[in-house]
Amino acid sequence: ETGVTQSPTHLIKTRGQQVTLRCSSQSGHNTVSWYQQALGQGPQFIFQYYREEENGRGNFPPRFSGLQFPNYSSELNVNALELDDSALYLCASSRPGLSSYEQYFGPGTRLTVT
Amino acid sequence: ELKVEQNPLFLSMQEGKNYTIYCNYSTTSDRLYWYRQDPGKSLESLFVLLSNGAVKQEGRLMASLDTKARLSTLHITAAVHDLSATYFCAVNFGNEKLTFGTGTRLTIIP
Repeated sequence: ETGVTQSPTHLIKTRGQQVTLRCSSQSGHNTVSWYQQALGQGPQFIFQYYREEENGRGNFPPRFSGLQFPNYSSELNVNALELDDSALYLCASSRPGLSSYEQYFGPGTRLTVT
Repeated sequence: ELKVEQNPLFLSMQEGKNYTIYCNYSTTSDRLYWYRQDPGKSLESLFVLLSNGAVKQEGRLMASLDTKARLSTLHITAAVHDLSATYFCAVNFGNEKLTFGTGTRLTIIP
């Protein structure tokens, strides 16, 4: 059983650029949620994808967008990067209906915007 | 809007002592999670609490849930240095979408 993986591990971008982060969900999980964790804070929910459709969104602007693919992997895209977008981006996979209700987090992508 | 508050935010304790971290949340939820995070690392799942009165234990950590009081506790028994980390509680607001608390940074002093 493979765990949740994310790529890249680290990324440095310039303000105004665009970035794509990737997440592969745990085997058997069909739901991927993305979170942003700024330094010294708790993670904040960005959005969730279930069966390739967005299934809920947090308080983030439209320049944060995503995709989920048929194999349940997912991408997070951020356009027009701002300095405040510097954070650790975490994805979590789950499968609604499982009695354990576990969510497994990936190792994260550290994004630095200069 | 669901709000989740943890206290204390910072906790420094001696090895061998006991202490409790508190997690309060503002609206009804059916699930509460506890996670551990080491510096620069991702989140490690500790407990999922599913019902009122639920209690789970793993090693020196024990978590409980009181849904009527909207309160969860994480109790640390006879702390050891390896437990130094930041601990987050998180509340489910629908289909595994989580609202996280502010975190408690725990430092165990020899």
